[in-house]
Amino acid sequence: QSALTQPASVSGSPGQSITISCTGTSSDVGGYNYVSWYQQHPGKAPKLMIYEVSNRPSGVPDRFSGSKSGNTASLTISGLQAEDEADYYCSSYTSSSIGVFGGGTKLTVL
Amino acid sequence: QVQLQESGPGLVKPSQTLSLTCTVSGGSISSGSYYWSWIRQPAGKGLEWIGRIYTSGSTNYNPSLKSRVTISVDTSKNQFSLKLSSVTAADTAVYYCAGWELAYYFDYWGQGTLVTVSS
Repeated sequence: QSALTQPASVSGSPGQSITISCTGTSSDVGGYNYVSWYQQHPGKAPKLMIYEVSNRPSGVPDRFSGSKSGNTASLTISGLQAEDEADYYCSSYTSSSIGVFGGGTKLTVL
Repeated sequence: QVQLQESGPGLVKPSQTLSLTCTVSGGSISSGSYYWSWIRQPAGKGLEWIGRIYTSGSTNYNPSLKSRVTISVDTSKNQFSLKLSSVTAADTAVYYCAGWELAYYFDYWGQGTLVTVSS
């Protein structure tokens, strides 16, 4: 099972919006609405930000949103804040009944 | 609130077996609400899904690790475990245990434990 494809890095200024893409195949991202997104600060465990493509857990700001089109899922962060600087990972369920992560994207807030 | 805590040796010799345990508190491991999972992250690299177990004992493993991995559950202790055999330096990583919701997202994570493979 190959890792999902994410850009290595993205950046934006405070207040701006950024989008991180996550590309898979019809056997994972495209085949199921089971895409989730995680935020990871250095030295910390990942934190769930989005589940089932576009749902936000309680406590996650509505600046974070998710979507999917075909084999590509996206995480959009609007109104960027300094504390959003972190690594972001997408994940999907797969037709092999296992999970797969993306390679991760480092978000820099300029 | 479910909490998870990894435990086990921080140093394992090459060719030996890595063994970690995850203790679940704040809920029953037998609740049937989660697939109990292991994930790892080499330093400076991304997350890798290792495998999962359901309370029935059914398991699924990452094909790249399948020949070396065993995940088991001990409901009497509210714990689940990871064994990875024939380890090499490439298995050096932070290992996380996590609860994978039945809708396939991880909402509970342990703090992670660093395992170094070295002689």
